[in-house]
Amino acid sequence: GAVVSQHPSRVICKSGTSVKIECRSLDFQATTMFWYRQFPKQSLMLMATSNEGSKATYEQGVEKDKFLINHASLTLSTLTVTSAHPEDSSFYICSARDQGGGSSPLHFGNGTRLTVT
Amino acid sequence: QKEVEQNSGPLSVPEGAIASLNCTYSDRGSQSFFWYRQYSGKSPELIMSIYSNGDKEDGRFTAQLNKASQYVSLLIRDSQPSDSATYLCAVNRIDSWGKLQFGAGTQVVVTP
Repeated sequence: GAVVSQHPSRVICKSGTSVKIECRSLDFQATTMFWYRQFPKQSLMLMATSNEGSKATYEQGVEKDKFLINHASLTLSTLTVTSAHPEDSSFYICSARDQGGGSSPLHFGNGTRLTVT
Repeated sequence: QKEVEQNSGPLSVPEGAIASLNCTYSDRGSQSFFWYRQYSGKSPELIMSIYSNGDKEDGRFTAQLNKASQYVSLLIRDSQPSDSATYLCAVNRIDSWGKLQFGAGTQVVVTP
């Protein structure tokens, strides 16, 4: 099945620094990837849709200048949390489809647990 | 009204029994429906997908879809302690990018 690799799995950073999270599709090309965030005991909240070769589309309430998304190739999307603060501490998960159709299921990376101190 | 609603649980199920999970959605035009399992601290993994009305069985799992009632369910037969997890219902929103909308999840606890 489709494999989505996410790195790092865990990161601790100081308040005010930036953190980059990578999401790779290992055995397929993904023109679109999705970035989710999950706070403890809450469901996944879609942050943005990452489109290869174009600007990402952000969900309402998500600051595009704070959460920078780059989708420079068909197999790699990155999420950079800029000037991180403790309230940004969360579980960030990327996902992608291995087929072009929008009705097929999403495959998720293993997630990145971000802790901002 | 939330777009995708699930009972949060926890749903306590004796080992060997059937766990029944329910999910309702608000967008009548939704076309694709998925159940994901998420263990604590891990990312979701796909269990079932269902696209048409009726039942779909895969091993110990059965998904049921009723579009007229905007209702999708998941049955887990012969529940095992390893089934203890949070189960997320996801619905495909009707747009060109196929974004999934998730419910809050139902926590299932299978007791030996």
